[in-house]
Amino acid sequence: QQQVKQSPQSLIVQKGGISIINCAYENTAFDYFPWYQQFPGKGPALLIAIRPDVSEKKEGRFTISFNKSAKQFSLHIMDSQPGDSATYFCAAINYSGAGSYQLTFGKGTKLSVIP
Amino acid sequence: EPEVTQTPSHQVTQMGQEVILRCVPISNHLYFYWYRQILGQKVEFLVSFYNNEISEKSEIFDDQFSVERPDGSNFTLKIRSTKLEDSAMYFCASSDSGFLAKNIQYFGAGTRLSVL
Repeated sequence: QQQVKQSPQSLIVQKGGISIINCAYENTAFDYFPWYQQFPGKGPALLIAIRPDVSEKKEGRFTISFNKSAKQFSLHIMDSQPGDSATYFCAAINYSGAGSYQLTFGKGTKLSVIP
Repeated sequence: EPEVTQTPSHQVTQMGQEVILRCVPISNHLYFYWYRQILGQKVEFLVSFYNNEISEKSEIFDDQFSVERPDGSNFTLKIRSTKLEDSAMYFCASSDSGFLAKNIQYFGAGTRLSVL
């Protein structure tokens, strides 16, 4: 119920191509869906996030598509660059009580953008 | 840009020893979290802390774990008697809001705990 399933586990994309990472969830109590980017030796950093009442959100080259009925969401990276090479985690947030929100992460996708 | 600071970056300990992982959250943040990431696996929630008490904890956060905010700046995770399976990267995070849309959690760079 608390799982967020992410695929693929790894992804290799040519520079300039589109990187697509997919996630699915079961728990309908999730009400916010962030994506985190993690470089080696660093902590996860928020990249972009979406509410479930929005079908798409775009920030620069990064777009989240959200399908509430299918309980799926995806990250698209347009014009992928070598500097985008990192591990990407989808996540889901639910209110866990007492003013606290709990992040549940997917297993991560290691993206490699090759020149 | 303000950041979450974690020390040490790498902690090596013997099985059965106590360890304390330290975090300095962003100064005006009120909500604090610990997560762990076993090598090659996903980031897992351990505990959240607000108003000087635990708000939520996962099943991973058993009696061997405790958290504390001993002063106005530090937030610590203590593992009382470490086990081999506690070896992981531990991330501290903080946020400034209890409102969902603003609950951006900022993560530190992590402490790698190696239990021998």
